[in-house]
Order: sequence, then C-alpha cells, then structure tokens
Amino acid sequence: EVQLVESGGGLVKPGGSLRLSCAASGFTFSSYSMNWVRQAPGKGLEWVSSISSSSSYIYYADSVKGRFTISRDNAKNSLYLQMNSLRAEDTAVYYCARTQGGYPPIYYFDYWGQGTLVTVSS
Amino acid sequence: DIQMTQSPSSVSASVGDRVTITCRASQGISSWLAWYQQKPGKAPKLLIYAASSLQSGVPSRFSGSGSGTDFTLTISSLQPEDFATYYCQQANSFLLTFGGGTKVEIK
Repeated sequence: EVQLVESGGGLVKPGGSLRLSCAASGFTFSSYSMNWVRQAPGKGLEWVSSISSSSSYIYYADSVKGRFTISRDNAKNSLYLQMNSLRAEDTAVYYCARTQGGYPPIYYFDYWGQGTLVTVSS
Repeated sequence: DIQMTQSPSSVSASVGDRVTITCRASQGISSWLAWYQQKPGKAPKLLIYAASSLQSGVPSRFSGSGSGTDFTLTISSLQPEDFATYYCQQANSFLLTFGGGTKVEIK
C-alpha cells in the first residue's frame, strides 16, 4: 500500500525557517517524481514544487522561488521541503504528492499524504 | 502562467442528480488535465487524468471530457459520498495550476 507521511509542520515567526519531510513507503520511491502542494485555510489548492526521480529536474511556483528548496533522498525514501524567509501567506497545510507513473512523467498527483500544517505568525 | 477557471464555484444538487462542472484553461493544454475530489479535512483524491481517463478504483459515474481549453467533469447520478469540492489541474506545463474549486452541496 502506498503511504506518504508528512512531518515537520508547526508554528514559526515571519522570517523564520522550517523543514518539512515526507516519508514514502509501498512503492519504489526512486522511480517517481514527487511534489509539494499546499492549501491555505479555507482556500484552494496551490502547487508549490516538483522534483524528478533523480533530482535532475526541479520546479518551483513563483510565490516560493528563491525561498523554498525541494530535495529528496532516494536511499531514505524521503522527500523534503526547506522553507526559508517564511511569510504569513505561506500559512497552509502542505501535502506531499506522488506523480503518476510513466515516462516521461506527466504531473498528475495520484497519491497524497495527510498533510502537515505550517502556521507563520508572530 | 496558464490560468484555470472553474464554474460554477458551487452547486446545490440532490442525490441522483446529474452534475456537470466546467474548467476552462487560459490557453490550450491539449488533454493534459486532471480532476480531483476533496472532502473536508482530507487530502485530495485523483478522479480523472488525461481529461477523460478514469483513475483506478473511481466509480464509473464519474466521467471527464474536453480538450484544448474547455473541459467538463460529469457525475451521472450523484451519491451521498460525492458531496465534496472538486478541482481541475493542468499538467501541460510548469507552472502547474489548479482551478479555484467547485463545491457540490446537498440541496
């Protein structure tokens, strides 16, 4: 069974940093592109970042470019999101999501974690 | 960036009704479109990909159609478990974008 479990969320002050993790199991992690998607309270879904299976290709939303860094450790079946210079508007539930299989990858998200809440407030 | 516009933003319907949700892309995206269902407090669930392909395990009452800029999600006979918010997402190019969502409510 595919499982994605996020951790690392919490309360942080504006300008602070946080590192999110996503532990993957039930599939060959190293074969799939992975993604972060967020949802502000009461709002819609916003794609944040994607990383290819071998980390060769990385993409960011304009709203986080230069502040967030996506990475992965295929040996540990883990995905990460380093978030720096956090702002109030980064407050959201952050979901880890798997890209549907196939090559080249088409970025549909077929499995999602339960999400981790990041709150940026003084 | 490709903007995705969903309509309506909400719809009230009864069990057994046929419900249609529309998603329009600001430029052509071929068939690179997905639909998701999200229930309160839960992660989204992939329903349809490539505009009209049903994800494994999704009931056949869900269907998708369209290409280019105009797409639809249809629920042929609404069931109690279908009351949720639905989102479209374009996968044609980075930056990936979602529609604003359509909330399907009980009439």
